[in-house]
Amino acid sequence: EPEVTQTPSHQVTQMGQEVILRCVPISNHLYFYWYRQILGQKVEFLVSFYNNEISEKSEIFDDQFSVERPDGSNFTLKIRSTKLEDSAMYFCASSEVDSDRSEKLFFGSGTQLSVL
Amino acid sequence: RKEVEQDPGPFNVPEGATVAFNCTYSNSASQSFFWYRQDCRKEPKLLMSVYSSGNEDGRFTAQLNRASQYISLLIRDSKLSDSATYLCVGGGEYGNKLVFGAGTILRVKS
Repeated sequence: EPEVTQTPSHQVTQMGQEVILRCVPISNHLYFYWYRQILGQKVEFLVSFYNNEISEKSEIFDDQFSVERPDGSNFTLKIRSTKLEDSAMYFCASSEVDSDRSEKLFFGSGTQLSVL
Repeated sequence: RKEVEQDPGPFNVPEGATVAFNCTYSNSASQSFFWYRQDCRKEPKLLMSVYSSGNEDGRFTAQLNRASQYISLLIRDSKLSDSATYLCVGGGEYGNKLVFGAGTILRVKS
């Protein structure tokens, strides 16, 4: 069964450092997403990406965040200068739009980011 | 008001019990609804879509009430393996962003 893969599974970084989280979405999917989940809290939308551009982003996704699809398979999330409050599990997801326009998201297993 | 609201639980039920979760959403323009399941520190996994006509998948039944803006999930004959957090998910303000509720914890005990 095709799946979304994320690397690394854990990332520890110092405050102020840049991190890049990597994802390989399911190959025939067209929409890509990043969500995050702070420990004990709900899953929060960060950004959606379609046709090589951001289609929607949340208030969390400020100038410190960027996304890129550098080639035909990878989808990355970059945090330029990490803050303590960026510590969370970051989930990548992908979807293809169904005929009834409903979008089922398939999630990767996540990258646990710890900012020290 | 939260976009998607759920009772956090926990719901503690014995094996074999029937349990129901409700969820309310604030955006009347939302079109897509789902139930996801999340195990501790794992990724959310799609359990089922929710359709206006109601739908069933084995022991799981989902209902959507657009007039009252709520969604329900019914689990019959609960198994120990059903223990997890159940996430109600609805279409966001712009339609292509899905919004997650905070989840309802289910614990099934023998």
